Amino acid sequence: NAGVMQNPRHLVRRRGQEARLRCSPMKGHSHVYWYRQLPEEGLKFMVYLQKENIIDESGMPKERFSAEFPKEGPSILRIQQVVRGDSAAYFCASSPAVTVPYEQYFGPGTRLTVT
Amino acid sequence: RKEVEQDPGPFNVPEGATVAFNCTYSNSASQSFFWYRQDCRKEPKLLMSVYSSGNEDGRFTAQLNRASQYISLLIRDSKLSDSATYLCVVNFLTGGGNKLTFGTGTQLKVEL
Repeated sequence: NAGVMQNPRHLVRRRGQEARLRCSPMKGHSHVYWYRQLPEEGLKFMVYLQKENIIDESGMPKERFSAEFPKEGPSILRIQQVVRGDSAAYFCASSPAVTVPYEQYFGPGTRLTVT
Repeated sequence: RKEVEQDPGPFNVPEGATVAFNCTYSNSASQSFFWYRQDCRKEPKLLMSVYSSGNEDGRFTAQLNRASQYISLLIRDSKLSDSATYLCVVNFLTGGGNKLTFGTGTQLKVEL
């Protein structure tokens, strides 16, 4: 049973380019979450999605960032016009349902470097 | 005040020692509590959920005190492989549902 999969594992972009990060949840999981970890900092919640719906995007920057989880295919986190401050590890997590104790399982992350 | 607070450490302990980590959270409406472990440059891995009655998994024991909004993790007979950052994690239920709030982590180094 494959775990949460993310690709690419490492992504280098120049300032102003677009970054697309992909996440495939664990089999049987319909809830996807994105978190960002800046260097030397803790993980911060960004967005929570179910298939075709954004449930909570309270942690997403207002501009340049968007996320989707289409009916078919992986969840995508998209960052437009990247800046150096976007350099971070982006982790995706999934859970089977919103039931106690709400455990989430993380993918290996995508490390984005903006040059 | 941070939503989830932990002592950042590092805790340097000899192999075989017992070590305890503490964590406090600010939102009394928090529903679920966890300890995750994160190795350097890797993803967080769920170590254990924490229940009000306290729970144990081998050498690891977790306790929750809702009245004091306090969570603890005890590691007995520590191994070199326990060296990692331990993350205290709380689930705050909001209108939007389920999101985890992480502490910044406590670093543990187990030495020979």
